[in-house]
Amino acid sequence: GAVVSQHPSRVICKSGTSVKIECRSLDFQATTMFWYRQFPKKSLMLMATSNEGSKATYEQGVEKDKFLINHASLTLSTLTVTSAHPEDSSFYICSARITSSGGGGTQYFGPGTRLTVL
Amino acid sequence: RKEVEQDPGPFNVPEGATVAFNCTYSNSASQSFFWYRQDCRKEPKLLMSVYSSGNEDGRFTAQLNRASQYISLLIRDSKLSDSATYLCVARHYAGGTSYGKLTFGQGTILTVHP
Repeated sequence: GAVVSQHPSRVICKSGTSVKIECRSLDFQATTMFWYRQFPKKSLMLMATSNEGSKATYEQGVEKDKFLINHASLTLSTLTVTSAHPEDSSFYICSARITSSGGGGTQYFGPGTRLTVL
Repeated sequence: RKEVEQDPGPFNVPEGATVAFNCTYSNSASQSFFWYRQDCRKEPKLLMSVYSSGNEDGRFTAQLNRASQYISLLIRDSKLSDSATYLCVARHYAGGTSYGKLTFGQGTILTVHP
């Protein structure tokens, strides 16, 4: 299957700092990437949809000024958590979509980034 | 009401047992359905798609009932390696977009013991 990587896999930072997470599709081009967040014992919640060359689309309740998304190329999307606070501590997972004819397409998930804000 | 609802379990079963998971979805616009498997502290991985005609992949059988908006997963002859969280997922297409948005259930925890 297709491979999606994320970096870093784990980050611990102080409250108030900004953290950048990279998501790369390694062997395919992804016009659309998705960012999810998963709190302990909860399910994945879509935060935003990242479209190459255009602004991201954020889900209701997700602050676009706090979670900055950049999708500068067909293989890279970044999520920056600005001025992180302890409540931002979570498991952040990206996924990239391979386009198939007729739309839809399969989403492949990255291994996730575990963020801990002290 | 959550868009995708699952019994969170946990289900604790012995090796060789048959176990069934249920899931309901509320968005009638959902068009595609999947079961994902997530191991502890890992990303979800696609287990199988779910079709109205029912589909089988080895020991796994998935079923979709669109009329009742119900999805199921049956695992036969459980293995220790089947222990994981099973996520029921529905996809619908947001207006004006060509991609689908996945909505995940909260997951059902399965533990298979010797």
